Amino acid sequence: SQTIHQWPATLVQPVGSPLSLECTVEGTSNPNLYWYRQAAGRGLQLLFYSVGIGQISSEVPQNLSASRPQDRQFILSSKKLLLSDSGFYLCAWRVTGLGGAFFGQGTRLTVV
Amino acid sequence: GIQVEQSPPDLILQEGANSTLRCNFSDSVNNLQWFHQNPWGQLINLFYIPSGTKQNGRLSATTVATERYSLLYISSSQTTDSGVYFCAVVTQGGSEKLVFGKGTKLTVNP
Repeated sequence: SQTIHQWPATLVQPVGSPLSLECTVEGTSNPNLYWYRQAAGRGLQLLFYSVGIGQISSEVPQNLSASRPQDRQFILSSKKLLLSDSGFYLCAWRVTGLGGAFFGQGTRLTVV
Repeated sequence: GIQVEQSPPDLILQEGANSTLRCNFSDSVNNLQWFHQNPWGQLINLFYIPSGTKQNGRLSATTVATERYSLLYISSSQTTDSGVYFCAVVTQGGSEKLVFGKGTKLTVNP
């Protein structure tokens, strides 16, 4: 069966520090991968999505970036965190034509 | 891009009541899902329903793709149904972008 791993579960980082969040999927090949951010009490904002290795579509032109170095690995990064980067970050996967999307447990990021 | 609108934004019910949540979308889709986000933030898949009707216990969903809307029915609501319900779509035409509505926040009181 397919599983998605996302870590860490919680993270407290100072302003100006770098960020690296990792998401990996098991049990499937060539998934579409997604990063979302959710501010407290708000909806899900799509940040990046990827349909293949090295292919990244950006929806939010801010100080965040994403990379997909392997088929089932998706990384969200920042060189210098801002207070406004605080939020709940969710990774998801789906396979085109084979049903819906599935989400990881999320990472709660607090920038202080 | 596609617009996904959910209504109502907030809903308060007494335990045992029934409810209908709506999701309208502005373009043709080949993927529509309903999710429940629990108080811990976890997104739970409820239905994958690009068209037709499905039922799972007290929950059912109907998508009328030609009229660009989907409905989620909750019967005999329980306090554990509380949380935020999202619908999400992928448009036809090749883009794999998965777009969410803003959600309906459901509170079920005992």
